[in-house]
Amino acid sequence: DADVTQTPRNRITKTGKRIMLECSQTKGHDRMYWYRQDPGLGLQLIYYSFDVKDINKGEISDGYSVSRQAQAKFSLSLESAIPNQTALYFCATRSSGNTGELFFGEGSRLTVL
Amino acid sequence: KQEVTQIPAALSVPEGENLVLNCSFTDSAIYNLQWFRQDPGKGLTSLLLIQSSQREQTSGRLNASLDKSSGRSTLYIAASQPGDSATYLCAVDSGSRLTFGEGTQLTVNP
Repeated sequence: DADVTQTPRNRITKTGKRIMLECSQTKGHDRMYWYRQDPGLGLQLIYYSFDVKDINKGEISDGYSVSRQAQAKFSLSLESAIPNQTALYFCATRSSGNTGELFFGEGSRLTVL
Repeated sequence: KQEVTQIPAALSVPEGENLVLNCSFTDSAIYNLQWFRQDPGKGLTSLLLIQSSQREQTSGRLNASLDKSSGRSTLYIAASQPGDSATYLCAVDSGSRLTFGEGTQLTVNP
């Protein structure tokens, strides 16, 4: 089983719908991240969390919200999806401190029509 | 604001060639730098992590170097193979978040 699991892997939805992307990890890491990847723009940080009670906005948090339900679970929600949120979304984890590796999930491809 | 640039954006080489991928960053106050590999439609796989106090790291045919003062890192791939074809990204850790380059798309031709 993967250390960082994302569900769903693919999702097609319509404008205005609420979407939740889920992430769970078995690495026991405190820090979890949500990134978005668009062609030509690289990875952009949406939200990050250093522990269950800590949530921080990243570079592009508008239109998104997150929930850290447990140390191992971090979900990303789009309250009202719009077409320019069509992208590949990645969850990542790392251990506490600034010396650990970042581990990524396989990604969730979201298409908003 | 940290900015990370990777050159070239794409590279095509024949099998067996040694190659170098470049990563430059604007703020030298970093904790570490990480190199990743991404296959099409897949997640990122960590290749090498270099701490700010280190000059290089090696794993198999891969060697990554770090020169903080000049804001540069290189990823050296020896004896390239078709299976090395992927996009390679570097990411710089400046504190609470990592900043990614846009990647170099590598194609190794048989």
